[in-house]
Amino acid sequence: GAGVSQSPSNKVTEKGKDVELRCDPISGHTALYWYRQSLGQGLEFLIYFQGNSAPDKSGLPSDRFSAERTGGSVSTLTIQRTQQEDSAVYLCASSKRTGLNTEAFFGQGTRLTVV
Amino acid sequence: ILNVEQSPQSLHVQEGDSTNFTCSFPSSNFYALHWYRWETAKSPEALFVMTLNGDEKKKGRISATLNTKEGYSYLYIKGSQPEDSATYLCASSGAGKSTFGDGTTLTVKP
Repeated sequence: GAGVSQSPSNKVTEKGKDVELRCDPISGHTALYWYRQSLGQGLEFLIYFQGNSAPDKSGLPSDRFSAERTGGSVSTLTIQRTQQEDSAVYLCASSKRTGLNTEAFFGQGTRLTVV
Repeated sequence: ILNVEQSPQSLHVQEGDSTNFTCSFPSSNFYALHWYRWETAKSPEALFVMTLNGDEKKKGRISATLNTKEGYSYLYIKGSQPEDSATYLCASSGAGKSTFGDGTTLTVKP
């Protein structure tokens, strides 16, 4: 597609359940980021993938969070045993790494509500 | 400065007021500085990208400046309108990775 696509757009889950959030980046973009924004908070970095390099996982808040990027394209963010504090909008962004233009293009986000 | 920092965190102004906010970033390994605008229920969208010290960009009533030596950028909005209400994000690109600030949330009251 033309832009970054995230699915689902909304997800309501019960506390303790696992969830998977998906991101389809723009074709050819080697960099992929996951962020989240909790209610009333700023943008929080979660994880960064760049090509075949080891991902920067420094922003993952706990070991319940994991992410993978298959074939250098689609990425899945998995949250195990969800807690209410995981409720947030999860944003994915992709960008080219090289060249002058390192602009990040964002998806519409997944709004996760843990009840 | 190790991280990208934005201030203030939030700002409330009256329609017609001019305003500005700050993005501070590490001056080492700097490549580009991006400003994004993030409206509620939408994706963040790029406003400006600047790379050179002293760069100034303008789009309508919004403009931005860049100082790479001291590591800061200012975003200015002249004559704020309610439709300017959004979160404004800055991101510093270096070594192939963009690092975002937490954002400044602007609310313009009619």
